[in-house]
Amino acid sequence: GAVVSQHPSWVICKSGTSVKIECRSLDFQATTMFWYRQFPKQSLMLMATSNEGSKATYEQGVEKDKFLINHASLTLSTLTVTSAHPEDSSFYICSAREWGQFNTEAFFGQGTRLTVV
Amino acid sequence: QQQVKQSPQSLIVQKGGISIINCAYENTAFDYFPWYQQFPGKGPALLIAIRPDVSEKKEGRFTISFNKSAKQFSLHIMDSQPGDSATYFCAASIGNTGFQKLVFGTGTRLLVSP
Repeated sequence: GAVVSQHPSWVICKSGTSVKIECRSLDFQATTMFWYRQFPKQSLMLMATSNEGSKATYEQGVEKDKFLINHASLTLSTLTVTSAHPEDSSFYICSAREWGQFNTEAFFGQGTRLTVV
Repeated sequence: QQQVKQSPQSLIVQKGGISIINCAYENTAFDYFPWYQQFPGKGPALLIAIRPDVSEKKEGRFTISFNKSAKQFSLHIMDSQPGDSATYFCAASIGNTGFQKLVFGTGTRLLVSP
């Protein structure tokens, strides 16, 4: 099956620094990727929809200047958490669906555990 | 109207038993209903999905039952095993091409006791 790879799997950063998370579709092209945030024992909360070659669409309440998304190619989207603070500590997950295909499932990355100290 | 309500929040089932998780939705435009399994520290993985033109879909020990008139769907795990212990999420979307976003339920933590 199709694979979505996320890197890094976990990261610890100091408060005030920025962290970049990569999401790659390894064997298919994805014009659209999705970024989720998940707090412990909670559901996935959609943060933004990443569109190749254009600006991301952010969900209500998500600060686009804090969570910068870049989708520079059909196989790579990045999420940068800028000026991270302890409250940004969370599990971030990306997903992608194959471009141009109908009845296609959404594949998820393995997630990135961000801890801000 | 975009919500998907999921119950129960947690579930304990004995090995060999049947696990049943229920979801309900309001938006009649939803036409793709997947179930995901998530282990701690991992991303969700698709278990099984259904479209509203069928009332039931079975894959191995996993079955989705779909009631379009009631706007409800459920996941049945037959012969539950300790390895099935995980969090399960139902979801829904309008279409399932490349750009439709999924709306997730709140999740059910399943524990299958040996």
